Amino acid sequence: DAGVTQSPTHLIKTRGQQVTLRCSPKSGHDTVSWYQQALGQGPQFIFQYYEEEERQRGNFPDRFSGHQFPNYSSELNVNALLLGDSALYLCASSPRTGLDSGNTIYFGEGSWLTVV
Amino acid sequence: AQKITQTQPGMFVQEKEAVTLDCTYDTSDQSYGLFWYKQPSSGEMIFLIYQGSYDEQNATEGRYSLNFQKARKSANLVISASQLGDSAMYFCAMREVKSGNTPLVFGKGTRLSVIA
Repeated sequence: DAGVTQSPTHLIKTRGQQVTLRCSPKSGHDTVSWYQQALGQGPQFIFQYYEEEERQRGNFPDRFSGHQFPNYSSELNVNALLLGDSALYLCASSPRTGLDSGNTIYFGEGSWLTVV
Repeated sequence: AQKITQTQPGMFVQEKEAVTLDCTYDTSDQSYGLFWYKQPSSGEMIFLIYQGSYDEQNATEGRYSLNFQKARKSANLVISASQLGDSAMYFCAMREVKSGNTPLVFGKGTRLSVIA
């Protein structure tokens, strides 16, 4: 059973460019969340997708946008890249249930983005 | 708003010894969950242990236990019999428990180094 997979694993972009990161959730999971983890910090919530719609959003500008496809996979797009966007971007998947148990959230290995 | 505080940027422990990683939290939610994750240098967030706010007993998972003191709003992680492979970043996180999936709020993490 494949876990959460993310691509690409590493990439370098120039200021002002645009980037797209991809995430395939764990089998059976329909909710995808994205987090940004700057160097030396804990992950910060960007947004969450369920049923192909953005359901919740953290404190990130509109330059950050996303999409979820019918197969539950998701993309994170960042436009007009800034140096401060350099970070590890983590995707997490979970089932959409009303119950909470800690081991229902699975993270991918992340995409390391460097903006130069 | 929820907040997680981890006051130990770095910790050292001798192999085979026990170590406690501190975590305090702040929330106005009545129902919430507390998590600990391990992040090796590869970047993936590995789930370790979960404690629900209404759980009366402290959670345990193998060598990991969570010392939950609700009145003090603390959720410290105890790792027994440390191994060299335990060297990594450790993050405490929390989220509100309600229907649907609420985002995780993370602390800044503690870097644990296990010494042979």
